[in-house]
Amino acid sequence: NAGVTQTPKFQVLKTGQSMTLQCAQDMNHNSMYWYRQDPGMGLRLIYYSASEGTTDKGEVPNGYNVSRLNKREFSLRLESAAPSQTSVYFCATRAGSNTEAFFGQGTRLTVV
Amino acid sequence: GQQVMQIPQYQHVQEGEDFTTYCNSSTTLSNIQWYKQRPGGHPVFLIQLVKSGEVKKQKRLTFQFGEAKKNSSLHITATQTTDVGTYFCAGFRGDSWGKFQFGAGTQVVVTP
Repeated sequence: NAGVTQTPKFQVLKTGQSMTLQCAQDMNHNSMYWYRQDPGMGLRLIYYSASEGTTDKGEVPNGYNVSRLNKREFSLRLESAAPSQTSVYFCATRAGSNTEAFFGQGTRLTVV
Repeated sequence: GQQVMQIPQYQHVQEGEDFTTYCNSSTTLSNIQWYKQRPGGHPVFLIQLVKSGEVKKQKRLTFQFGEAKKNSSLHITATQTTDVGTYFCAGFRGDSWGKFQFGAGTQVVVTP
């Protein structure tokens, strides 16, 4: 029972390259989230999916796109990476409102 | 911007001392959650508060939800080196439960 799995764990990109961060959960949760974490900024919400088939913007969506492929998987895509997107990215899931969130181990992304 | 503000952003504590971190919102919250992130790790759920004036304890940690449901506090008694990490709160409004947004966190450093 893996919980929330993020791939890859580490990635280095050149400016302008694209990539997709993957998140998969085996907890049968409805809601899934993508956050970025930067020093002194805490966790900032990029996009979320309240349920399968829906996605919504969070605080900092610019430069990102998401896909809720099915109930298990929620991917985050960077179409043209920029150095400002250097960060640690976390995926999280929740069963619904008033429930705790479970986080993946994170993806450390560096854009040079 | 973020729904909730956390203070202080940084807390340096001598082992054995007590400290408190605060979470403040300008709007009434339906509930609030607290998480702990160890250095290099991912956020892990600690507790949820729902009722006005609610107080919950976990060993040396005491969590409180304000009477107006606009603020919360986490008090740690007799700090230990295992308390090192960043403590985040996440506040929820009834109309935006899907937008699961965190405060900026309080980073705690413990000196033996």
